[in-house]
Order: sequence, then structure tokens, then C-alpha cells
Amino acid sequence: GAGVSQTPSNKVTEKGKYVELRCDPISGHTALYWYRQSLGQGPEFLIYFQGTGAADDSGLPNDRFFAVRPEGSVSTLKIQRTERGDSAVYLCASSSRPRDSNSPLHFGNGTRLTVT
Amino acid sequence: GIQVEQSPPDLILQEGANSTLRCNFSDSVNNLQWFHQNPWGQLINLFYIPSGTKQNGRLSATTVATERYSLLYISSSQTTDSGVYFCAVPTYSWSGTYKYIFGTGTRLKVLA
Repeated sequence: GAGVSQTPSNKVTEKGKYVELRCDPISGHTALYWYRQSLGQGPEFLIYFQGTGAADDSGLPNDRFFAVRPEGSVSTLKIQRTERGDSAVYLCASSSRPRDSNSPLHFGNGTRLTVT
Repeated sequence: GIQVEQSPPDLILQEGANSTLRCNFSDSVNNLQWFHQNPWGQLINLFYIPSGTKQNGRLSATTVATERYSLLYISSSQTTDSGVYFCAVPTYSWSGTYKYIFGTGTRLKVLA
């Protein structure tokens, strides 16, 4: 089946604008993660959904960042009043049963966000 | 929180050489994953290896959970092995949190 799909693949926006990044996980995967990766760094955790609810949003850097997953499938990461420091690659991953054995993370190709 | 460190940070190999990448973690874990990020940025899961040894072609991985480290072996390296290798371990809580923390990565360049 299809892998994790992220759109858009690239987004260029002006400082102060609002952006939405979309993630379509693998069908049937209940766990969904958002990560952010800056140049030369490892992925940094942002938020974890189990089903429709955000089980852990401790990685969101501030209240300009928000994410939803209303029907337990597609998720949208929303960034208000973007700043140049928000420029990074935003990665989405899904997993079938994260606490079970042999349930690896599957990543999408990411959205490269550039704030000018 | 749990700390994940990888070594070496950078590695240059001639094609055909072997290498060992290391991942150390600061707390007990019940699983560990190795990923390869190719030059186009795509993260590919290589191994899901909470303990023991697994092999997949020229790659193999060993995790010694009691000593809090994992090793990734690359044999007969090829230029397509170039990229960044990450290990990731989960943290979890009674409230249902289950998130993966990534190491700092090893940047590998294989020369033809």
C-alpha cells in the first residue's frame, strides 16, 4: 500500500504568514508523529497522536504551533505568524501499534518550509 | 529525559570498506530503531531491534539493552550507503506518551 504522504513537499512563505502542512499516514496506523529537522540535526519531536487525540504535545515550541487529527487519519500541522526560525523540514511518521514489538516508524518525505 | 548519542559524528570510507556505527542511550528501552536518511532527505527504517542481532544483506545491527548500546555494521560499503544514520529510542509514560528520541546521527560518505 501507499506510504506516508506529506503535502506540500516545499513551502515558501513570508514572515508573519500562516501555513498548514498536511500528513496522510499509512492506512490503519493509529499512531502519528510530527517531527522537525533543522539542517545538520536529528529529527526533533513535536507532537504525538494516538487516534484523534494529542497524547503528547510537549515538543511544540510555542503557542504559534498547533496540530489536529480530527478523524484519526489525516493530520494538519498549523503554524501561525511564521518566523524565519521556523524554517526547517517538517516530518510526519506513523506506526501501527507503537507499544507492541515489531512496529516500526514509517516516515513521509517531509515538507521543506522556508520563511523569508 | 533519555539521552541518545551516536559516534562517530562523521565517517568517510572508500567503497568496499566495512564500518561500525554506535548508538549509546542513557536509560532502559524496550525497542530501538535504526534509520538511514539519504541525500534527498528521505528517512528509511533499517532495523527495529530491541535486543539481539538482525541482518539484512550487507547491513546488520546488534543491541545490548542491558549495557545501553546498539551497533550498526555496514560491510562492503557502496556509494549508495552515503547519507546520515540515526538511531531512535522511545520514551513512554503511564499517561500514554510514546515518543521516539533521535540521536545526533552519523554522517557517512562513501567514495568511489
